[in-house]
Amino acid sequence: EDQVTQSPEALRLQEGESSSLNCSYTVSGLRGLFWYRQDPGKGPEFLFTLYSAGEEKEKERLKATLTKKESFLHITAPKPEDSATYLCAVLGPGSGNTGKLIFGQGTTLQVKP
Amino acid sequence: GAGVSQSPRYKVAKRGQDVALRCDPISGHVSLFWYQQALGQGPEFLTYFQNEAQLDKSGLPSDRFFAERPEGSVSTLKIQRTQQEDSAVYLCASSFLFGGEGKNIQYFGAGTRLSVL
Repeated sequence: EDQVTQSPEALRLQEGESSSLNCSYTVSGLRGLFWYRQDPGKGPEFLFTLYSAGEEKEKERLKATLTKKESFLHITAPKPEDSATYLCAVLGPGSGNTGKLIFGQGTTLQVKP
Repeated sequence: GAGVSQSPRYKVAKRGQDVALRCDPISGHVSLFWYQQALGQGPEFLTYFQNEAQLDKSGLPSDRFFAERPEGSVSTLKIQRTQQEDSAVYLCASSFLFGGEGKNIQYFGAGTRLSVL
């Protein structure tokens, strides 16, 4: 069964203090890994998709990396507006032919000024 | 509109009432998904449509949950005889037809927060 575990559950940083969020997955035959950002009261907003180990993608202060067992979301010099819940999701054999995503529980990031 | 639109944004129901939640996907998106998100958790898959065909309903928690997309665009998720455990945020997402790099990205609406009293 495809499983996704995110850590830590919550992270508090000072503005400018870089850190990383972890997404560990148990999927035999990964077909895609997705990072989303979710603000309170809103739906998830797409950030990145990664397809193969060694792949990296960047957007502003965020950088996503992928290995065969986990993905990291690196946040460099975060700002208060980066505060949100970050969700990781996978597309694997359990997704069948529909493309349904299997999500982790999320990491809630708070960046203090 | 440019994004996925869901209505109502908030719904309060008395236990036992029926509710209907609407999703208007991005124009041209063939695939439509419904997810349920409990407080503090990630979204969990409920059901999937490809155009008007419901191809996967394996995530629907009981036969009180029913979804339709009769013309292949707008979808409605209906919950009959609501129970307190149905309280959650119901998210709708749409995408191009599954398959091919870049075509798997799902775009989410803001969700409907259902509270069953």
